[in-house]
Amino acid sequence: DVKVTQSSRYLVKRTGEKVFLECVQDMDHENMFWYRQDPGLGLRLIYFSYDVKMKEKGDIPEGYSVSREKKERFSLILESASTNQTSMYLCASRRTDTQYFGPGTRLTVL
Amino acid sequence: GENVEQHPSTLSVQEGDSAVIKCTYSDSASNYFPWYKQELGKRPQLIIDIRSNVGEKKDQRIAVTLNKTAKHFSLHITETQPEDSAVYFCAAQVEGGSEKLVFGKGTKLTVNP
Repeated sequence: DVKVTQSSRYLVKRTGEKVFLECVQDMDHENMFWYRQDPGLGLRLIYFSYDVKMKEKGDIPEGYSVSREKKERFSLILESASTNQTSMYLCASRRTDTQYFGPGTRLTVL
Repeated sequence: GENVEQHPSTLSVQEGDSAVIKCTYSDSASNYFPWYKQELGKRPQLIIDIRSNVGEKKDQRIAVTLNKTAKHFSLHITETQPEDSAVYFCAAQVEGGSEKLVFGKGTKLTVNP
């Protein structure tokens, strides 16, 4: 059974802080993704990675960066958190077709 | 790039009725169309998918149809039950292309007992 885990379910940070969100998958998937989910806007792709040390910008990369040093781990970094980055963040991984999501991290930036 | 439109944004039905959610896509090269269900407080999960070489696919009470000419695909749920209440997302992808799914904005389905 595929397992995608995220480091925190809930996170509260202050404006200007550096924030790390981590995602780990245990199925040796090449592709990993970070989305943010906001009411009425659906799932918007921030960044994705198709291999170790490889990354591609998604639709809303501004204010975010990512790191993939190991195949199983994909990190999302908010260099200087802002209130408009308050959201639900979902990680996903995929090898062929089915995309598996993590449980999500609800981030609040005060 | 690909753009996926999903309608309606909310849908309320009585238990036992059918529900239909429709999506249109813009990129004629898209060839993979999954549907995800997200229950309240839970992660999205794949419920059914279809590829462009197939016009319809069924799995018990759910079915998906694809019209490549019109570039739209639909999710059909028959004999709805309260546990079908959730947000449903459609998506489109060019397999063998950029590997990224483009999602619709979601439909909140409520099944009233």
